[in-house]
Amino acid sequence: NAGVTQTPKFQVLKTGQSMTLQCAQDMNHNSMYWYRQDPGMGLRLIYYSASEGTTDKGEVPNGYNVSRLNKREFSLRLESAAPSQTSVYFCATRGGSTDTQYFGPGTRLTVL
Amino acid sequence: RKEVEQDPGPFNVPEGATVAFNCTYSNSASQSFFWYRQDCRKEPKLLMSVYSSGNEDGRFTAQLNRASQYISLLIRDSKLSDSATYLCVGGPKAAGNKLTFGGGTRVLVKP
Repeated sequence: NAGVTQTPKFQVLKTGQSMTLQCAQDMNHNSMYWYRQDPGMGLRLIYYSASEGTTDKGEVPNGYNVSRLNKREFSLRLESAAPSQTSVYFCATRGGSTDTQYFGPGTRLTVL
Repeated sequence: RKEVEQDPGPFNVPEGATVAFNCTYSNSASQSFFWYRQDCRKEPKLLMSVYSSGNEDGRFTAQLNRASQYISLLIRDSKLSDSATYLCVGGPKAAGNKLTFGGGTRVLVKP
């Protein structure tokens, strides 16, 4: 089992460019989450999806959109990237008997 | 006030020593608590869940104090490999809800 996978691992964008970060899970969890983490700071929730077909804003949703494509996949889109969106982006799922969160390896995004 | 607060540290710990640190939470309705470990530039990984009765996993012991709204993590016989940032997490039990992460406590174990 791969767990939670994210693509790409690294990305450099110019201001104004758009891109989609992909996340997929094979854990059969209903809930999926997108976080960002800036250097020396904690995780901040961008959007989450409690179940397939639903999405909700987190703490810092401005500048992002999400799509819960199916139970396995949850994508994060930056329509017009800004330098303030330079960060590490983590996707996570939640579920299982212990109700814990499991994280993907992250996408390191730099916006110039 | 942040919903989950942690002392950022760093806690400088001699190898073999014991270190303990707390995390406070403000939402009294929180039911699920966890400790995660995060290594530099890597994803957070579950260290242990925190149960009402407290729990132990090898050298690690977690406690929950609902009356004072804090959880604690104690590391015995610290190893160099225990150097990391420890994230305190709390939130509603149901999986569809958000968990709130603390800012992390940095631990540096030195020879």
